[in-house]
Amino acid sequence: EVQLVESGGGLIQPGGSLRLSCAASGFTVSSNYMSWVRQAPGKGLEWVSVIYTTGTTYYADSVKGRFTISRDNSKNTLYLQMNSLRAEDTAVYYCAKAYDFWPKFDYWGQGTLVTVSS
Amino acid sequence: EIVMTQSPATLSVSPGERATLSCRASQSVSSNLAWYQQKPGQAPRLLIYGASTRATGIPARFSGSGSGTDFTLTISSLQSEDSAVYYCQQYNNWPPITFGQGTRLEIK
Repeated sequence: EVQLVESGGGLIQPGGSLRLSCAASGFTVSSNYMSWVRQAPGKGLEWVSVIYTTGTTYYADSVKGRFTISRDNSKNTLYLQMNSLRAEDTAVYYCAKAYDFWPKFDYWGQGTLVTVSS
Repeated sequence: EIVMTQSPATLSVSPGERATLSCRASQSVSSNLAWYQQKPGQAPRLLIYGASTRATGIPARFSGSGSGTDFTLTISSLQSEDSAVYYCQQYNNWPPITFGQGTRLEIK
């Protein structure tokens, strides 16, 4: 059974850093396109980042230069390193597995809430 | 960046009736469009991909149509558990991957 379990969210001050983790089971992270998608409170879905099987990464303009997506193949885990956090980064962050090498997402984690506030 | 626009923002339909949700892309996305359902406090669930292919385990009352810039999600014979927010997403030109702003479906 495919499962994605995020962790690492919490309350952080503006300018701070946080690393989110997404532990996967039932499939191999490195063999799939993986993404982070976020949802601000009461708002819609916003794509954040993707990592390809090749290791190539892409980011939304809103997080480029501040966030880094990565994976640990030995732990079958996806990460999102978030630096220079801003109030507008406050959201539930979901990791998601892409289906069939196109970024349509067939499995999602339960989400982890990041709150950026002083 | 391809902008996805959904309409209406909110739709209220009686049980057993049909709901029709629309999604328009600012430029052609071919058939590279997905629909998701999100219930309160839950992660999104993939319903449709390739504009018209139901994902695994999705009931046949959910159907998608369209290509290019105009797409429709139809839910026939609405049930109470279909109350949710529905999002479309294009994956033809990325990055960025873009979502519509959502349609809230209420069951009367």
